[in-house]
Amino acid sequence: AQSVTQLDSQVPVFEEAPVELRCNYSSSVSVYLFWYVQYPNQGLQLLLKYLSGSTLVESINGFEAEFNKSQTSFHLRKPSVHISDTAEYFCAVSWSSGTYKYIFGTGTRLKVLA
Amino acid sequence: KAGVTQTPRYLIKTRGQQVTLSCSPISGHRSVSWYQQTPGQGLQFLFEYFSETQRNKGNFPGRFSGRQFSNSRSEMNVSTLELGDSALYLCASSWPDRVNGYTFGSGTRLTVV
Repeated sequence: AQSVTQLDSQVPVFEEAPVELRCNYSSSVSVYLFWYVQYPNQGLQLLLKYLSGSTLVESINGFEAEFNKSQTSFHLRKPSVHISDTAEYFCAVSWSSGTYKYIFGTGTRLKVLA
Repeated sequence: KAGVTQTPRYLIKTRGQQVTLSCSPISGHRSVSWYQQTPGQGLQFLFEYFSETQRNKGNFPGRFSGRQFSNSRSEMNVSTLELGDSALYLCASSWPDRVNGYTFGSGTRLTVV
C-alpha cells in the first residue's frame, strides 16, 4: 500500500543551527512530492514541491528538499533556522495512480530554541 | 486572488447535535477535499468532491457527509456529534490533477462538549 513516513514527531533545534526533517515513501514510481508547513491555528501552506527535473528544490524562505529515488526519500533541510520557523511540517506524496490524490505523513513538529 | 475560506472558524457543540461546516474554494478550483486533524491521529482524509460528485471517501462513519454545489462551494455535515469529533476540520481546494498540490483554508475548530 502507498504510504508516507515521517519518523521524527518532534525536532528541537537551536536558532541558527541546521535542521533536516525526514520523509520516506513507499514507492518511487511516478511520484510527485510536497512539503507543507502549518503554523499554530492555521491551515497548511505549500512550502515546496518536486514534480520532475532537478532533484533539489528550494522554497523562498531558505528551505530545500532533495528527491532521492533510490532511497525513496524527500528530506527537508535548512542550513540555519530562525525562531519563526517553529511550526509543524508535513510531507505529502502523490502517485500518478491510486485511490487517493495525496497521502500525508504524520507531521514533524519543529521547535526552534533561542 | 482570494484564498480558501472556511466558516465558521470556531464552533462549540453539544454531544448529539449536528453541525455543518462550509468551504469556499479558490476561484477556478473545482476539487474540494476535507480533512480532520487531531493531535492523536494527525491528518485524516474525509472525502473529496469534484464537479458536485464525491470522488473519494476516507474511513469515517456515515455520520460524516458532505456535498458540493455547482459553484464548487462545499459543505460537510456531522450528525450525532461525539466527544471524539472535536478536531480541526480543514478544507483544501485544488485543480483536479495530482501535481499542483492543495491550497488549504484556515480550518474550523470544532469542540464537542
